[in-house]
Amino acid sequence: AQSVTQPDIHITVSEGASLELRCNYSYGATPYLFWYVQSPGQGLQLLLKYFSGDTLVQGIKGFEAEFKRSQSSFNLRKPSVHWSDAAEYFCAVGRFSWAGGYNKLIFGAGTRLAVHP
Amino acid sequence: NAGVTQTPKFQVLKTGQSMTLQCAQDMNHNSMYWYRQDPGMGLRLIYYSASEGTTDKGEVPNGYNVSRLNKREFSLRLESAAPSQTSVYFCASRRLAGGPKVEETQYFGPGTRLLVL
Repeated sequence: AQSVTQPDIHITVSEGASLELRCNYSYGATPYLFWYVQSPGQGLQLLLKYFSGDTLVQGIKGFEAEFKRSQSSFNLRKPSVHWSDAAEYFCAVGRFSWAGGYNKLIFGAGTRLAVHP
Repeated sequence: NAGVTQTPKFQVLKTGQSMTLQCAQDMNHNSMYWYRQDPGMGLRLIYYSASEGTTDKGEVPNGYNVSRLNKREFSLRLESAAPSQTSVYFCASRRLAGGPKVEETQYFGPGTRLLVL
């Protein structure tokens, strides 16, 4: 069955430090991968997505992610974290259900990022 | 352009009470979704509407009903609330009407936090 795993529930970094959030997926076909961010009390905002082409994807707010098929990973990175990056981050894989005829996103459990000044 | 809006933001119910969560989008999107978010589990799809006039079950539909009132609005109803339905509910929309193009971005509302006592 398709699944998404985010191994780190909580991560704390210092402002200005680099960041890497891990995401591993289990999916039989070519995955369509997404990273969303959820600030406290807010909805989910798309940071970036991958579905083909260059395996290094640039997103908003200075984030990037690299798709590695051999490792079934899609890790999110940022070279220098800002205090405003404190939020919860969700990795997701897009899936079409041929039986149900619908699209959905399969989400990981999320990683909560805290930023120390 | 407000995007996806949800009402109410927060609700407390007693077991057995009913309520309807409202969702509206002003992006002229065709597909709309209801997800629930529970700690440590990411988001799970409750119901889906590929286009105006159609609705279908997602992963966790039991205890819920939906109505696609028009192209803009997609409501979620709890007929007899149970403590297990305590969760944060997110509505999302997508431009395309159904189909297997899973790379299409879903846009999320700010969520409704529901507590069932």
